[in-house]
Amino acid sequence: NAGVMQNPRHLVRRRGQEARLRCSPMKGHSHVYWYRQLPEEGLKFMVYLQKENIIDESGMPKERFSAEFPKEGPSILRIQQVVRGDSAAYFCASSQGLYNSPLHFGNGTRLTVT
Amino acid sequence: AQTVTQSQPEMSVQEAETVTLSCTYDTSESDYYLFWYKQPPSRQMILVIRQEAYKQQNATENRFSVNFQKAAKSFSLKISDSQLGDAAMYFCAYNPVNDMRFGAGTRLTVKP
Repeated sequence: NAGVMQNPRHLVRRRGQEARLRCSPMKGHSHVYWYRQLPEEGLKFMVYLQKENIIDESGMPKERFSAEFPKEGPSILRIQQVVRGDSAAYFCASSQGLYNSPLHFGNGTRLTVT
Repeated sequence: AQTVTQSQPEMSVQEAETVTLSCTYDTSESDYYLFWYKQPPSRQMILVIRQEAYKQQNATENRFSVNFQKAAKSFSLKISDSQLGDAAMYFCAYNPVNDMRFGAGTRLTVKP
């Protein structure tokens, strides 16, 4: 019973490159959430997606960041033209989408921008 | 394996009363952070309190306090004077070096 799978575990990018973070939700889960955690800070909500739909992207920066959750395949968080301030841990979580459904988190992707 | 266990899927407390949420973790590290996060219906994860493993003193943030027992690898959250706004999912998290591990969560209901 695989949990939420995120890859890569660690990602190093130079300024200006693109970063792609992947998240495969738990089996049976159709809702995915992305969070960002800056060093020694709490998780910050970024975006909430269902299959093929963005439900809430109120936490996403207006530029360079995008997310998708296609009908087939993992959810992708894409960061274009990365800057050093993008360095953080990015967590994905999934759920069945009901309010009383717990979130199951992945182990995160640590992005380092050099 | 580094795991975090929250053994109480659901808890209930009467408004103004005190409730304690349990959390245990497994690690071979000596230095790490422990966190409690709250997730209200808005789905945003809110940091409630954090504890550094090398600090003996239990962390306190207003009505929230922890009982950190390093030898027992236990990290419980006590909420005093519970309020209706405290109703949420609470996640315990362990972080050795920005490598966060979360428990499955405890759903707290506050009864008026």
